[in-house]
Amino acid sequence: SQTIHQWPATLVQPVGSPLSLECTVEGTSNPNLYWYRQAAGRGLQLLFYSVGIGQISSEVPQNLSASRPQDRQFILSSKKLLLSDSGFYLCAWSGASGKSAGANVLTFGAGSRLTVL
Amino acid sequence: DQQVKQNSPSLSVQEGRISILNCDYTNSMFDYFLWYKKYPAEGPTFLISISSIKDKNEDGRFTVFLNKSAKHLSLHIVPSQPGDSAVYFCAASDSGTYKYIFGTGTRLKVLA
Repeated sequence: SQTIHQWPATLVQPVGSPLSLECTVEGTSNPNLYWYRQAAGRGLQLLFYSVGIGQISSEVPQNLSASRPQDRQFILSSKKLLLSDSGFYLCAWSGASGKSAGANVLTFGAGSRLTVL
Repeated sequence: DQQVKQNSPSLSVQEGRISILNCDYTNSMFDYFLWYKKYPAEGPTFLISISSIKDKNEDGRFTVFLNKSAKHLSLHIVPSQPGDSAVYFCAASDSGTYKYIFGTGTRLKVLA
């Protein structure tokens, strides 16, 4: 069966510090990978998605970036965090690369709580 | 531009009664819709989905209805249980893309 791992679960960082959140998927090949953010009192905002190694699509321009160095690894990064980067970050996967979103369920990891002070 | 909207931020229902959660969308290209349940500090879990070629899908206590002409879908939970208390998100996707767009969520509280 497929599993998705996301870490760290909790992170407290000062403003201006770097960020690295990591996500890996097991039990599948060529997944589509996603990063979402849930800010306090808000919905799930799509940040980045990837349909293959090295292929990153950005949905929201900001000081965050994403990378996919391996087929089942997805990393969310920042060089300098802002207060507004605080939130609950969720990694997710679906289907297989080359398959569109239609009729594929999106499966989420447990999330990473980031607090920027 | 909020393409998927959940206009009710919260809903309270008595245990055993029906819970109805609503969702509206604006993009006519959306053809697959999903409902997720989320507890605090956890990732959302998939509940039920529906393709645009159907108008109803049922799974146990959960039924999703789709009205394409009104661009509206709803999730019915019958009977509601205290364990159903959570935030519910609807999501929509377009088979021509790889994106899933989520609403802002509705917090359901089932009262014992």
